[in-house]
Amino acid sequence: EAGVTQSPTHLIKTRGQQATLRCSPISGHTSVYWYQQALGLGLQFLLWYDEGEERNRGNFPPRFSGRQFPNYSSELNVNALELEDSALYLCASSLGQGKGSYEQYFGPGTRLTVT
Amino acid sequence: DAKTTQPTSMDCAEGRAANLPCNHSTISGNEYVYWYRQIHSQGPQYIIHGLKNNETNEMASLIITEDRKSSTLILPHATLRDTAVYYCIALGRASGSRLTFGEGTQLTVNP
Repeated sequence: EAGVTQSPTHLIKTRGQQATLRCSPISGHTSVYWYQQALGLGLQFLLWYDEGEERNRGNFPPRFSGRQFPNYSSELNVNALELEDSALYLCASSLGQGKGSYEQYFGPGTRLTVT
Repeated sequence: DAKTTQPTSMDCAEGRAANLPCNHSTISGNEYVYWYRQIHSQGPQYIIHGLKNNETNEMASLIITEDRKSSTLILPHATLRDTAVYYCIALGRASGSRLTFGEGTQLTVNP
């Protein structure tokens, strides 16, 4: 069974540009979560989607946004990139059914570098 | 979520059991104990979770004390690939499905 996949593996952008990160959940999972892990910092929750709806949002500015498609894959968009957005962006999925779960399965992440 | 306390680091010989302790003395009745690990530069990996009974899966065993104030994650036959930071977290409904890791325990498995 395929795990959570993310693309691209690495992304280099300049300040002010926009970045789009993609995630495909495990087959059968309807919940997708996005996290940011900056160097030396812990895991920071960004967004939770389930059944196409945004269910919860972390303490991040509105320039961090996303969506979930009918096939449950998801996209994270970061507008007006700042240097401090450089981090590993992790996507996780779980069985959802509208309730979410703490049993989350993570992808390998996208390393975003903003120069 | 209840605060958890773990040792900063531990060492284990390859092939031996690794026993990772976690204290969660303020855990409430509806909070589960979850364990994750993160190998350097990889995404976190779910290991196991439990409420009050001991649990076992293909990766590990989780022993929770009767008073639920502490727990131990057991890797029965540690391998070099088990070298990682291990996180113990107590989670209930209030967390809104968001995971937050503390400092964790750096487990180093030595040949």
